[in-house]
Parts: sequence; C-alpha cells; structure tokens
Amino acid sequence: AQKVTQAQTEISVVEKEDVTLDCVYETRDTTYYLFWYKQPPSGELVFLIRRNSFDEQNEISGRYSWNFQKSTSSFNFTITASQVVDSAVYFCALSEAGRGSYIPTFGRGTSLIVHP
Amino acid sequence: GAGVSQSPSNKVTEKGKDVELRCDPISGHTALYWYRQSLGQGLEFLIYFQGNSAPDKSGLPSDRFSAERTGGSVSTLTIQRTQQEDSAVYLCASSSFSGGLLSGANVLTFGAGSRLTVL
Repeated sequence: AQKVTQAQTEISVVEKEDVTLDCVYETRDTTYYLFWYKQPPSGELVFLIRRNSFDEQNEISGRYSWNFQKSTSSFNFTITASQVVDSAVYFCALSEAGRGSYIPTFGRGTSLIVHP
Repeated sequence: GAGVSQSPSNKVTEKGKDVELRCDPISGHTALYWYRQSLGQGLEFLIYFQGNSAPDKSGLPSDRFSAERTGGSVSTLTIQRTQQEDSAVYLCASSSFSGGLLSGANVLTFGAGSRLTVL
C-alpha cells in the first residue's frame, strides 16, 4: 500500500481559478513530517513547506495554503487565483521517525496545468 | 557549492553498458540521497548516505546498482549492465540532517537530475 497517495494524476485549470491538490498519507508513527515540493518544467524539485505531526495549524503563504488534518490523514495544498507559472508537478512527501533517518517517501505527484 | 550539482545531465547508452552518475552535494551537507523518477511513478528511493556510510540502501533495485560516497562529499551511482527498464531520471538530494532522530526531518535540496536512456 502506498504511504503517500496523490490520487489526482493531472489537473487542468484556467488562470485565476482556485485549485486544491490532495495528499493522503499512512503512518503508524506519532512523530512524522509532511512536505510539499514543486517540480517545474526545468526539472529541479523545490521545497514549499514542512509540517510536523504535532502542529496541525494551517498555513498560508501568499496564494498558497495548506490544510493539515490528522483525523483524515490528509495534507492538502490549495493555490488561490492560479497563474501560468504555477504549472508544475507537485509532490507530497512523508518522513517518519520510525523509518530511521526520516527518509522521505514521496507520492506519485500531481501535474498541474494552468492555462492562460 | 551553492546547490546540488549532478552530471551528466543526459546520458544515452546501449543495453549492457555500465554507467556512472555523479552528485556533488551542498558543501557541509552530511546527508545525501539518491532517488529515481520514472514516468508516472513518482520518486523512488534508492539509497541514503550519512557521511561516507550508507545506513539505508534498501531501495537499490538489484545488485547491478551500487553507490559510494567519498570524503563526505561527492557520490557516484553506478549501474552495471544497464537494461532498458533502468531508463529514468536519477535525482540526487542533500540535507543537513545529522542522523539524530530528535533533530527532526530536514528539507532536501535536489539537483536537476541525470536523465538516463538505455537503448
């Protein structure tokens, strides 16, 4: 079973639409970290956010916001008023203390295409 | 260096040949990771180094794959007798994670990857 599930393979929106990327994770650890990374067409993954399991506060950074809900094991990512530059593949990742070394396990990614 | 550097950026080889992929991590980063990215498969973990040691190499798909790290810096991933299914983008990442679980999970900085095509 996948530890990190990104059920949306590809999402296509028109500029200025809001879009939510889903991430569902599975772990038995009480201590873990969740991440989102962005992979633009150039290829290099870029870090967006890190959350630990003890901090369920939602976070907003400009047009980006993240909703962490332990009750549903989800860590969803919303882009408000999407722009063409948001087009990329977005990866959710889980780092568990129990694995040792917190090696991240990544989901399969969601490809977001924002049309002008 | 300022970022994670990988070479070559592109490699085309014939089935059965050996290939070496190189990763130069951020200076001072003790943790180094190799992942493989195949189309539609996300990032598949291969191996993790802490310094020159590899505490976790559970992701290496077969004994044709090996990796080493020297001087706590540069790492080389070697694939022997390449097969067509080895075609993928090989990503290297580094972090300042020192190995202590109490320190929590660090952010990984990725290189641009090495695209391997096996004909």
